[in-house]
Amino acid sequence: KQEVTQIPAALSVPEGENLVLNCSFTDSAIYNLQWFRQDPGKGLTSLLLIQSSQREQTSGRLNASLDKSSGRSTLYIAASQPGDSATYLCAVRTVGDKLIFGTGTRLQVFP
Amino acid sequence: EPEVTQTPSHQVTQMGQEVILRCVPISNHLYFYWYRQILGQKVEFLVSFYNNEISEKSEIFDDQFSVERPDGSNFTLKIRSTKLEDSAMYFCASSGDRGQKSVEKLFFGSGTQLSVL
Repeated sequence: KQEVTQIPAALSVPEGENLVLNCSFTDSAIYNLQWFRQDPGKGLTSLLLIQSSQREQTSGRLNASLDKSSGRSTLYIAASQPGDSATYLCAVRTVGDKLIFGTGTRLQVFP
Repeated sequence: EPEVTQTPSHQVTQMGQEVILRCVPISNHLYFYWYRQILGQKVEFLVSFYNNEISEKSEIFDDQFSVERPDGSNFTLKIRSTKLEDSAMYFCASSGDRGQKSVEKLFFGSGTQLSVL
């Protein structure tokens, strides 16, 4: 059974720092991995999607990498800003239709 | 950018009552989903829907739950007789404007917070 774990559970940093959020999954048979942002009481905003054949994806200050064989993905946030404060979720797409989510990393960036 | 819209944003109901949560997926998408998140827990898959039928469902999605696409734009989740443990944020999602669901991004709505009293 696929399990997705994210560490750290929470992170508080000063503005300007570069950050790494980690995601691990137990079964490497995935189609893709997606990183989301969730603001309190709100929906999920898709940040990056990495296909199983890809190693990384970039969007602005965000870079996500995927090492399928070791069951790991990282989300790198460059030059963090207070507006980056949110919960970051990773989710893997497995055989079948569903995404399996991790528990998230709650990020706070203070000025 | 097109988005998935959900109504209502909050729904309060009494235990045992029926509720219908409504979603308008992105117009050219082919695959539709419901997920839920109980406070403090992971986002969980409930059901996927394609070509007017359920393609996959989780153990959570029992006989009390049903989904429907009554017209070309709406996608609904019905809970027939709500329980206290159904209290959660319910998210609708859609994907697959190219018919390749396994490689395409899911777009989520902002959710309906269901509170069962």
